[in-house]
Amino acid sequence: SAVISQKPSRDICQRGTSLTIQCQVDSQVTMMFWYRQQPGQSLTLIATANQGSEATYESGFVIDKFPISRPNLTFSTLTVSNMSPEDSSIYLCSVDLGTRDEQYFGPGTRLTVT
Amino acid sequence: RKEVEQDPGPFNVPEGATVAFNCTYSNSASQSFFWYRQDCRKEPKLLMSVYSSGNEDGRFTAQLNRASQYISLLIRDSKLSDSATYLCVVTDTGRRALTFGSGTRLQVQP
Repeated sequence: SAVISQKPSRDICQRGTSLTIQCQVDSQVTMMFWYRQQPGQSLTLIATANQGSEATYESGFVIDKFPISRPNLTFSTLTVSNMSPEDSSIYLCSVDLGTRDEQYFGPGTRLTVT
Repeated sequence: RKEVEQDPGPFNVPEGATVAFNCTYSNSASQSFFWYRQDCRKEPKLLMSVYSSGNEDGRFTAQLNRASQYISLLIRDSKLSDSATYLCVVTDTGRRALTFGSGTRLQVQP
């Protein structure tokens, strides 16, 4: 597996502001992903963070709302822009180590928008 | 129809019981299959991959039926520490991103 950290672990933000979440892995990985888990729900994929190119977004998620950076093979950021209370969720990054499609998750960032 | 469907539970079972979870998936192109475990307020952790031949890891047995697009997880001799939500997860060939079921909650009682 891999050691994955996320910062911040939690935050409370006002509507209309933006928050950038960082994800750091202790080894180089090709594929990183960002997921959202809304209260009482399962995980939904936001986008695949591609190193050296634009992220690939899932239906219902757009770059203007969730810009993603992937400057190298160990780091990625997700920004939640112009936040509203509906954005209150846990945001998780994951990595695919290239072994049988298995993915490992960071501890998540718990976001509350007031 | 959801891509991955699970019985949400909760399953309330006594310690030592055997419990089975089922899952169906709609995309016949799905290639890889997993069970993840998620404790309250924690991230999902990979419990086991699921192979066509079936696989076992201690008290846990997973099976896959590709023809029926059905996945199962059997937990024998349940422990209190098995209490968690169990997530059925699939991924498509080449896409590598995971599609999650809604999860089945298990509560093992003393």
